[in-house]
Amino acid sequence: AQSVTQPDIHITVSEGASLELRCNYSYGATPYLFWYVQSPGQGLQLLLKYFSGDTLVQGIKGFEAEFKRSQSSFNLRKPSVHWSDAAEYFCAVSSGTYKYIFGTGTRLKVLA
Amino acid sequence: SAVISQKPSRDICQRGTSLTIQCQVDSQVTMMFWYRQQPGQSLTLIATANQGSEATYESGFVIDKFPISRPNLTFSTLTVSNMSPEDSSIYLCSVRGGSSTDPNSYEQYFGPGTRLTVT
Repeated sequence: AQSVTQPDIHITVSEGASLELRCNYSYGATPYLFWYVQSPGQGLQLLLKYFSGDTLVQGIKGFEAEFKRSQSSFNLRKPSVHWSDAAEYFCAVSSGTYKYIFGTGTRLKVLA
Repeated sequence: SAVISQKPSRDICQRGTSLTIQCQVDSQVTMMFWYRQQPGQSLTLIATANQGSEATYESGFVIDKFPISRPNLTFSTLTVSNMSPEDSSIYLCSVRGGSSTDPNSYEQYFGPGTRLTVT
C-alpha cells in the first residue's frame, strides 16, 4: 500500500537560512509526487509536482524538490527562508489516479 | 488552476445538529473531492463527487453521515449530519485539474476550507 512519511513534525529555522523538508514514500512504481503548503487559516496551495523527467523540479515561491528513486524520497528545499514561509507543508503521493495519500505534515517556524 | 470558494469559512455548531458546506468552482470540473483534516492531523479523503452520479465514499465514511450533492459541474455540498465533537475538523473541497489525458490533471486544487467546531 502507498504511504508517505514526513519524519519532522516541527522544524525551526532562522530567516535567511536554508531549508530542507523531508518526504519519503512507499510505492511500487514511479509515483506522482506533490508538495503543498497550508498557511494558517488557508487552504492548500500547490508548491510543485513531479510526474516524470528531470528529477529536480522548481516550484513557486523559490522552492525546489528533488526526486530520488533510490532513496524513495522527494525532499523540499529552499536556499533562503523568509518569515512568510512559516506554514505547514504537506507531501502527497498519487499512483496516477485521483487519490492522494498525504503525509502528516511538517510545521515550519521561522525565527526573525 | 481553478479558484475555489467555500461557505461557511467557519462555524460553531451544537451536537446533534447538521451543517451543510458549499463548494463553488470558477470553472466546470468533472471530479470534486471532499477531505477532512482533524486537528493536528493530515488530510483524509471523505468522498469523490462526480456530477450526475452518486458520490463514492472512502472506507470509514458513509453517506448517512456525510451526504453529498453535486447538482452541476461547478458546485457541490457536503453535509455533516448529527454532529458530535469528534466531527470538529477542517473540511476542504478540491478539484482535479486538466483533462484525463493531461498529466496536469493529477493536480488537485483546494478550497480555503471550512473550520467546524462542535460543542
